[in-house]
Amino acid sequence: EVQLVQSGGGLVQPGGSLRLSCAASGFTLSTFWMTWVRQAPGKGLEWVASINQAGSETRYVDSVKGRFTISRDNARNSLHLQMSGLRAEDTAVYFCARVGGYNYFDFWGQGALATVSS
Amino acid sequence: DIVMTQSPESLAVSLGERATINCKSSQSVLHSPNNKNYLAWYQQRAGQPPKLLMYWASTRQSGVPDRFSGSGSGTDFTLTISSLQAEDVATYYCQQYYDPRPWTFGQGTKVEIK
Repeated sequence: EVQLVQSGGGLVQPGGSLRLSCAASGFTLSTFWMTWVRQAPGKGLEWVASINQAGSETRYVDSVKGRFTISRDNARNSLHLQMSGLRAEDTAVYFCARVGGYNYFDFWGQGALATVSS
Repeated sequence: DIVMTQSPESLAVSLGERATINCKSSQSVLHSPNNKNYLAWYQQRAGQPPKLLMYWASTRQSGVPDRFSGSGSGTDFTLTISSLQAEDVATYYCQQYYDPRPWTFGQGTKVEIK
């Protein structure tokens, strides 16, 4: 059974940093792109970042470029999102997800709330 | 970026009745070489992560009840719930994966019981 179990999140002051993690099981992580999607309170879904199988290619939404870093450790079956220079508008539930064979997101983590507030 | 626009924003349907959600993309998501529409639908119940319902615009993900169906091509798509059940109360999102730079979602359609 495919499972994505998230950890991290919490309350951080503006300008601070936070690291989200996603532990994968039930499939071979190294064979899939992985992605992060966020959802601000009461709002819709926004794609944030993605990474290829080897970790050699990354993509980011413009609003987080230079502040967020997506990474992976295939040996430890884990995905990470390092967030720095956080702003109030980054407050959201962050979901990790597996990118299925043709770029849709077929399995999702349970979500982790990141709150940026003073 | 491909902009996805859903309508309506919300709808209330009686149990057992049909619910129809529309999604329009700002440019075609039909890939001519394989004649496939790069369009997915997700269901998100309150407090839960999204769940993949449909891909290729009309292919149900494993385990999705057959009361859910998807149709459309090019820029105009529809998700239909043929006979609404209580467990279908959720927000539904369309997503294009034709151009993943960036992936984009519709704003969501909230389905409630009338």
